Amino acid sequence: ETGVTQSPTHLIKTRGQQVTLRCSSQSGHNTVSWYQQALGQGPQFIFQYYREEENGRGNFPPRFSGLQFPNYSSELNVNALELDDSALYLCASSDWLGPTNEQFFGPGTRLTVL
Amino acid sequence: LAKTTQPISMDSYEGQEVNITCSHNNIATNDYITWYQQFPSQGPRFIIQGYKTKVTNEVASLFIPADRKSSTLSLPRVSLSDTAVYYCLVGDEGDTGRRALTFGSGTRLQVQP
Repeated sequence: ETGVTQSPTHLIKTRGQQVTLRCSSQSGHNTVSWYQQALGQGPQFIFQYYREEENGRGNFPPRFSGLQFPNYSSELNVNALELDDSALYLCASSDWLGPTNEQFFGPGTRLTVL
Repeated sequence: LAKTTQPISMDSYEGQEVNITCSHNNIATNDYITWYQQFPSQGPRFIIQGYKTKVTNEVASLFIPADRKSSTLSLPRVSLSDTAVYYCLVGDEGDTGRRALTFGSGTRLQVQP
């Protein structure tokens, strides 16, 4: 069974640029959630996708957008990057119909905005 | 979503039992209590989940009193590899867990030799 994978592992961008982060969900999981984790803080929910539809969104501006594909993999896009967007971006997958609310996290993508 | 309060940090020694208590005064009837562990530069990892009384698995125990306004994660005989941040989360299993997880700042556990 393959776990959650994310790419790239590290990324450096400059202010104003756009970035796309990718996530492959765990086999058998149909739900993907994205989180932003600033240094020293807990992860903050960005949004979630279930069956290719956005199913919930946290307090993030519209320049944070996403996609889920038929194979349940997902992308997070961030436009007009700001310095405060520097963080660890985590993807988590889960089974919407599973017996618990356990989410399986990937290793994250470390984004640095200069 | 219920707000949780945990100690910012704790220190322990190898072989000791560690108990981390989380306060969640406004927990709702349908809410479950879940704990996650996170190592530096890694995603959080599910440890244990419970609704009431006591739950035990191969790595931890979770104690929940009758009023459910707090919970205690118990790690038996910790080792250096248990040094991590531990998050207590409260939410409706049928809703929050499958829609979003709300993390606080967590408890930073440092295990010394």
